[in-house]
Amino acid sequence: DQQVKQNSPSLSVQEGRISILNCDYTNSMFDYFLWYKKYPAEGPTFLISISSIKDKNEDGRFTVFLNKSAKHLSLHIVPSQPGDSAVYFCAARENGQNFVFGPGTRLSVLP
Amino acid sequence: EPEVTQTPSHQVTQMGQEVILRCVPISNHLYFYWYRQILGQKVEFLVSFYNNEISEKSEIFDDQFSVERPDGSNFTLKIRSTKLEDSAMYFCASRDSPNSYEQYFGPGTRLTVT
Repeated sequence: DQQVKQNSPSLSVQEGRISILNCDYTNSMFDYFLWYKKYPAEGPTFLISISSIKDKNEDGRFTVFLNKSAKHLSLHIVPSQPGDSAVYFCAARENGQNFVFGPGTRLSVLP
Repeated sequence: EPEVTQTPSHQVTQMGQEVILRCVPISNHLYFYWYRQILGQKVEFLVSFYNNEISEKSEIFDDQFSVERPDGSNFTLKIRSTKLEDSAMYFCASRDSPNSYEQYFGPGTRLTVT
């Protein structure tokens, strides 16, 4: 039961360009979403969050967009940097429940 | 900057043995979590802990698993009789308040069951 899907296992982007990471979910009761990034041999690091009452949240180079009707969110990184190369996880929760993680997308930013 | 720490970084054990994975959450945090990630698979929720008791657990967290906060700083995950399929990275996480959903993760313990 994949409630949170990240259909692209990997993505390559040129340095300086925009990276767009996508996440789809099936549970319409999800009300809060997080993006984490993970380097090898490290734990996930929180990046940015969005509540279901918003459709956009921005923090520096990172912007998350939420389309509730499509049950879709995306993380935009612009400009992409080589240090952004990592695995990115989308996570979602229903009020009072714990977070469900997607399988992750490996981003490679090429110099 | 405060961070979640976990020990050991790598634990090798034989099937059927007990293991205890240790975590020190960020000191003012109140909510604690264990997750695991089997190699090549997604991060899976195991258990959440608040006010000295389990608040939620997943189907994975069966009778072989237990958690404890023995001394107000450590947060441990015990697996009583390990199985081969318990081999995974185990991540501890914590968060500070009911109004903040951001969880801070430790670096993980790689458990290898042989």
